[in-house]
Amino acid sequence: GESVGLHLPTLSVQEGDNSIINCAYSNSASDYFIWYKQESGKGPQFIIDIRSNMDKRQGQRVTVLLNKTVKHLSLQIAATQPGDSAVYFCAEDTMDSSYKLIFGSGTRLLVRP
Amino acid sequence: DAGVTQSPTHLIKTRGQQVTLRCSPKSGHDTVSWYQQALGQGPQFIFQYYEEEERQRGNFPDRFSGHQFPNYSSELNVNALLLGDSALYLCASSSTGNGYTFGSGTRLTVV
Repeated sequence: GESVGLHLPTLSVQEGDNSIINCAYSNSASDYFIWYKQESGKGPQFIIDIRSNMDKRQGQRVTVLLNKTVKHLSLQIAATQPGDSAVYFCAEDTMDSSYKLIFGSGTRLLVRP
Repeated sequence: DAGVTQSPTHLIKTRGQQVTLRCSPKSGHDTVSWYQQALGQGPQFIFQYYEEEERQRGNFPDRFSGHQFPNYSSELNVNALLLGDSALYLCASSSTGNGYTFGSGTRLTVV
């Protein structure tokens, strides 16, 4: 759903390790999904997106996996760097008529040097 | 190429007052959406403007209103401010075939 608590779940990883951030989305009709990175004091920044006709998409150091059966999305970050430390949000959209993004609960990623 | 520009960056208002926030979209974008992000939460959709009209609205009271100008810039107005309106207000611009670009937001504090 759209309601999340005040305390974001946190993922702490060692620099150089791979990170996996998970997200459960709510609307079966959603057909477009986006991962955003939000650093302190800034707006969400686009990382990677995927349409519902795909189950995997790769970018530079990032991979998004989509499992429509269980309405689950994940973001994999390879060789995590200190600059990856931020809050990560998944968002869902319906391409044809929704005109709005529904954001999931965020995850704070902390990268230990 | 300037991205989305929001002003002011920070604002402190008293309960009951009114506030106007401004947004200039990314060059080439004709659609503006507004989101409210409370501390520790994901952004919540307020409304979207296209062709100077409100195209869709989220679950926000009528105290929240907006406007889009012919140059595609937009304003968000909030009347009768409540303490619970304290949040980061984000503007996102887009156009057909292009994704959303977010501004850095306006941090509103209601005291």
